[in-house]
Amino acid sequence: KAGVTQTPRYLIKTRGQQVTLSCSPISGHRSVSWYQQTPGQGLQFLFEYFSETQRNKGNFPGRFSGRQFSNSRSEMNVSTLELGDSALYLCASSTVSNEKLFFGSGTQLSVL
Amino acid sequence: GENVEQHPSTLSVQEGDSAVIKCTYSDSASNYFPWYKQELGKRPQLIIDIRSNVGEKKDQRIAVTLNKTAKHFSLHITETQPEDSAVYFCAASKQGGSEKLVFGKGMKLTVNP
Repeated sequence: KAGVTQTPRYLIKTRGQQVTLSCSPISGHRSVSWYQQTPGQGLQFLFEYFSETQRNKGNFPGRFSGRQFSNSRSEMNVSTLELGDSALYLCASSTVSNEKLFFGSGTQLSVL
Repeated sequence: GENVEQHPSTLSVQEGDSAVIKCTYSDSASNYFPWYKQELGKRPQLIIDIRSNVGEKKDQRIAVTLNKTAKHFSLHITETQPEDSAVYFCAASKQGGSEKLVFGKGMKLTVNP
């Protein structure tokens, strides 16, 4: 069974640009969550999608958005990038919301 | 909303010793408590989880205990090995609703050979 796949692995952008990250969950998993990981801050919840519906959203500005497609693949978008958006963005999939998450390898975003 | 505190932030032990990582949570309605391990440069992986209707759960060298009254839960690792060196994250959520899974900030465990 293929694991959670995130693309791209690395991204370098400049301030003001926008970026789209992609996540393909494990086959059969309908829940996809996104987290931002920075040194010392742990895993900050961005949002969760379940069957194409956003179930929950973390405390991030509206520049962070996401969506889920009918095949459960998910994308997150960050517009008007800021230096502070530099982080590892992880997505995780599961069959039941919040339980037994399987994480992808992440996308390392650097904003210059 | 839920807030999860994790301490200590770093812990260094000798191989063969035991290690204990403690977390506290704020929402008494939380009922699901997983632990994830993240080795350097790798993705987080679930190592054990516990529900609020259980006080303790064991899996080989690891165990988790839950004290609902005090709102804290702990991860215990016995007979530590160098491969246990990693960052450990605790988390809490209220299952059955639309609550999010909230993680602690992580604890870096170093097992010295």
